[in-house]
Amino acid sequence: DVKVTQSSRYLVKRTGEKVFLECVQDMDHENMFWYRQDPGLGLRLIYFSYDVKMKEKGDIPEGYSVSREKKERFSLILESASTNQTSMYLCASSPYGREGYGYTFGSGTRLTVV
Amino acid sequence: AQSVTQPDIHITVSEGASLELRCNYSYGATPYLFWYVQSPGQGLQLLLKYFSGDTLVQGIKGFEAEFKRSQSSFNLRKPSVHWSDAAEYFCAVVEWANQAGTALIFGKGTTLSVSS
Repeated sequence: DVKVTQSSRYLVKRTGEKVFLECVQDMDHENMFWYRQDPGLGLRLIYFSYDVKMKEKGDIPEGYSVSREKKERFSLILESASTNQTSMYLCASSPYGREGYGYTFGSGTRLTVV
Repeated sequence: AQSVTQPDIHITVSEGASLELRCNYSYGATPYLFWYVQSPGQGLQLLLKYFSGDTLVQGIKGFEAEFKRSQSSFNLRKPSVHWSDAAEYFCAVVEWANQAGTALIFGKGTTLSVSS
């Protein structure tokens, strides 16, 4: 089974800090995604990438950036963390051209900004 | 942009009763549709998916869903609910972005409670 691994399960950061959330997948998938999940709002797409060094903005990219230097790794960066970025962050991957087979999600990183 | 609507925020069902969770989508062509479940403190698990063929699809844990193009719906059903089905359920659709990239767009979710 494909695995999507997020480096931290829980993180606590201070306002203004630069925060890196890391995601690694082991099945050579082309597509990778970052979502945030908030109660009552479901999952909202922040950024996604369909190839190394390629990125596309999702619905809520403000305050975030991403990096994909290697196919298996997709990083989400909070340039200057703010309290309204306290949330659950989920990474996912999928194979290009076989999207009908579904997307695989990591276990999530619960980020608290204080 | 595509969108997914789950009209019911919270549903309570008695154990052993039947369940239907509603999902409506907006998309011009035949969509790729999914249902995911998330138990408390857990990650997202794929229940079932539809992208072609038979409009009634079977999934894991006894769930099924029916794609109805005329109603732009993909409702999730289960004939007899178990207490372990209490969770949050998300409907999702693939959005075809530019440059051949795709993304999964989610509804806001329906929380299912099961009463004894």
